[in-house]
Amino acid sequence: AQTVTQSQPEMSVQEAETVTLSCTYDTSESDYYLFWYKQPPSRQMILVIRQEAYKQQNATENRFSVNFQKAAKSFSLKISDSQLGDAAMYFCAYRSLSNFGNEKLTFGTGTRLTIIP
Amino acid sequence: NAGVTQTPKFQVLKTGQSMTLQCAQDMNHNSMYWYRQDPGMGLRLIYYSASEGTTDKGEVPNGYNVSRLNKREFSLRLESAAPSQTSVYFCASRMIPRGVDSYEQYFGPGTRLTVT
Repeated sequence: AQTVTQSQPEMSVQEAETVTLSCTYDTSESDYYLFWYKQPPSRQMILVIRQEAYKQQNATENRFSVNFQKAAKSFSLKISDSQLGDAAMYFCAYRSLSNFGNEKLTFGTGTRLTIIP
Repeated sequence: NAGVTQTPKFQVLKTGQSMTLQCAQDMNHNSMYWYRQDPGMGLRLIYYSASEGTTDKGEVPNGYNVSRLNKREFSLRLESAAPSQTSVYFCASRMIPRGVDSYEQYFGPGTRLTVT
């Protein structure tokens, strides 16, 4: 079974600075997807960024980028130029590709990010 | 498009009561999911439905039943609520185009359920 570990329960960063959230996972599969979801106080789960394991290039979405280290099974999220609206709980998630169409997301326990004005 | 909608937003039950959480999506998605979120934990899958007419157990199905009423709607039922089922419940959906695996799940706003 796959597991996802987020070792930082809480992080804080000054507005406009850069912060990196850590995520490691355990799997015996070679092909899979990885995601970062954001959950603001509204509770809505919002997809921030995704990475296909077969792609060597790190995914980037505006101020959000990942550092995907497949051999190390590490998938960290970097937020540049942090903004007050980035304050939220961030979840790392793993998705197997072993069953086409039938799958579940395995989530980490989350990191609460606080932005300091 | 409203996306994924859930009703109710909040609910308080007494132990032993039953209720049904409703979920609907207007994105013509094939797969639908029910998750629960507990403090200090990530979301855990309760049940999912890969397509209309099919349902399968997820990681924590005990105490729950589901119905995929049609392509749009996927309900979660608690037959006899227990305090351990106090949680925030999320519904999600996903499109699976023919021959292509689309990986993104879209989530509803959640239902906060308290069982006393």
